[in-house]
Amino acid sequence: DQQVKQNSPSLSVQEGRISILNCDYTNSMFDYFLWYKKYPAEGPTFLISISSIKDKNEDGRFTVFLNKSAKHLSLHIVPSQPGDSAVYFCAASAGSGGSNYKLTFGKGTLLTVNP
Amino acid sequence: GAVVSQHPSRVICKSGTSVKIECRSLDFQATTMFWYRQFPKQSLMLMATSNEGSKATYEQGVEKDKFLINHASLTLSTLTVTSAHPEDSSFYICSARGTSYTGELFFGEGSRLTVL
Repeated sequence: DQQVKQNSPSLSVQEGRISILNCDYTNSMFDYFLWYKKYPAEGPTFLISISSIKDKNEDGRFTVFLNKSAKHLSLHIVPSQPGDSAVYFCAASAGSGGSNYKLTFGKGTLLTVNP
Repeated sequence: GAVVSQHPSRVICKSGTSVKIECRSLDFQATTMFWYRQFPKQSLMLMATSNEGSKATYEQGVEKDKFLINHASLTLSTLTVTSAHPEDSSFYICSARGTSYTGELFFGEGSRLTVL
């Protein structure tokens, strides 16, 4: 049972335009969400996160939106750059205030930004 | 950001042998480390959570006798794949969380295991 779903395996956008990566979740206990970026043969690197008490978090070109009622979050990258081309993973955790927490990952979306 | 290093990045072994993968936190102390495996076009699947000085907690369906995890110090956790079989071929990634909760994990570079 996939608790975190990234239904688009790939996305292609033009340089300078907006990239929108979507993520849906089913577990209502999730209260912390993260986006990771992964290049081939490398480990994921943290990009941006959002707590369930917020509906938006912005960091430079990256903005994450959270719609709790729809159990949906999205990552917006604007403007998109060729260096943004990578696999983006959505991840979620429950009870993140504890000393241990586990991340549940989506399958990832391959973003290709064309020059 | 914090640095987590994994070694080896690639390993090829014969079926039946054991392989050890190391995960080190280079500039911080990691009380908790996580081990994941990733199959092609699949998500990262958590295998186990290891806490320094105590036994690892394995996820359902992960054989603890096959995937031995040791977290003997605050900067090193090891994953040993025992009696490896071709179906164990995968990309294994570790992550670490520091002593102060920041809401993010730092990942190693990953280790590609190929069992012949």
